[in-house]
Amino acid sequence: DGGITQSPKYLFRKEGQNVTLSCEQNLNHDAMYWYRQDPGQGLRLIYYSQIVNDFQKGDIAEGYSVSREKKESFPLTVTSAQKNPTAFYLCASSWVLAGGQETQYFGPGTRLLVL
Amino acid sequence: GESVGLHLPTLSVQEGDNSIINCAYSNSASDYFIWYKQESGKGPQFIIDIRSNMDKRQGQRVTVLLNKTVKHLSLQIAATQPGDSAVYFCAENIGPPGNTPLVFGKGTRLSVIA
Repeated sequence: DGGITQSPKYLFRKEGQNVTLSCEQNLNHDAMYWYRQDPGQGLRLIYYSQIVNDFQKGDIAEGYSVSREKKESFPLTVTSAQKNPTAFYLCASSWVLAGGQETQYFGPGTRLLVL
Repeated sequence: GESVGLHLPTLSVQEGDNSIINCAYSNSASDYFIWYKQESGKGPQFIIDIRSNMDKRQGQRVTVLLNKTVKHLSLQIAATQPGDSAVYFCAENIGPPGNTPLVFGKGTRLSVIA
């Protein structure tokens, strides 16, 4: 069964704590993305990676870090420097096509709450 | 249409009627557009896409129209059903692949009245 999985579904963070959100895909996609979504808002890009061992900052990268050691995995760490981490986090993946189309497919999301 | 501030625009439609959701995109160089549907608490789902060399594309109960002159995209849903209630996002591909990720609009909430 192909797709994108995110875990956990809900995550609680204490003050000053780093937490890591998991994202795995078995679609053989080249690119992976992390978005943050706040209530009533659209998607804001945190980080993206077009290829293994390389990634770029998105619009709101401060307070977050990522790694891309394997093609199928793109974990996101929310560090203690992120002062307002409560949000719905979405991971996506896509092929990178020569024709210029990049349909992104999304995981089910992780809701992060601060205790 | 696109939202301003914290509140999503909402479209309320009677069950069985047709829905039209609009999106104004930002870049005249965008060459590929996608509509996504997001139900509450879930990730966005791909609905339909269209390339810039097309004006119209039809799927099952959905049609996307592209007007490049005014940089406008619309999603039409025929015979709207309660299961269509969700937030709908448009997205555009601005640059070559590998350079710029998709840019997403802020979304429109569709509410279907049974």
